[in-house]
Amino acid sequence: GAVVSQHPSRVICKSGTSVKIECRSLDFQATTMFWYRQFPKKSLMLMATSNEGSKATYEQGVEKDKFLINHASLTLSTLTVTSAHPEDSSFYICSAIAGGNGELFFGEGSRLTVL
Amino acid sequence: DAKTTQPPSMDCAEGRAANLPCNHSTISGNEYVYWYRQIHSQGPQYIIHGLKNNETNEMASLIITEDRKSSTLILPHATLRDTAVYYCIVRVGGQGGSEKLVFGKGTKLTVNP
Repeated sequence: GAVVSQHPSRVICKSGTSVKIECRSLDFQATTMFWYRQFPKKSLMLMATSNEGSKATYEQGVEKDKFLINHASLTLSTLTVTSAHPEDSSFYICSAIAGGNGELFFGEGSRLTVL
Repeated sequence: DAKTTQPPSMDCAEGRAANLPCNHSTISGNEYVYWYRQIHSQGPQYIIHGLKNNETNEMASLIITEDRKSSTLILPHATLRDTAVYYCIVRVGGQGGSEKLVFGKGTKLTVNP
């Protein structure tokens, strides 16, 4: 089946630094990708919808300047957490829609810890 | 908001069938029912989806009621590795639908030895 890969799987950074998380569709082109955030023992919360070649659409309450999303190609979307703080520590998950049949596949997730 | 409601938790004995219910009373005619599961600290894994007919694959079976207001995911012979949170989601899909997926709280299934 289709594979979506995220990198890095784990990252630890100091407060105030920026962290970039990559989401790649390995064997299909994804015009639409989604970014989710998940707190411990909670469900996935949609942050934004990323469309190739256009600006991302953010969900209400998600700071677009804080969470920069770039979808520059049909196989890559990136999420940059800018000036990270401890409250940004979370599990970030991306998903991508495979064109043609509309199936949705998820990445393995990236765990961010901000010290 | 999520369009589905599920029981927060269920238990099942290893080797027995696990039946996970989902209510989606406001489902639209062009919306599919999708099931995913998430094992701790991993991304969600696709299980199965259907529109109105019952579906079966190597992982599970999906039973959708005739009025499509509810469905049941069946794991025929649960194993310890099936312990996970199971999410039932409705979305327009199957033919290039690109709308966002909203997750409810899911059902925490615990398979006991």
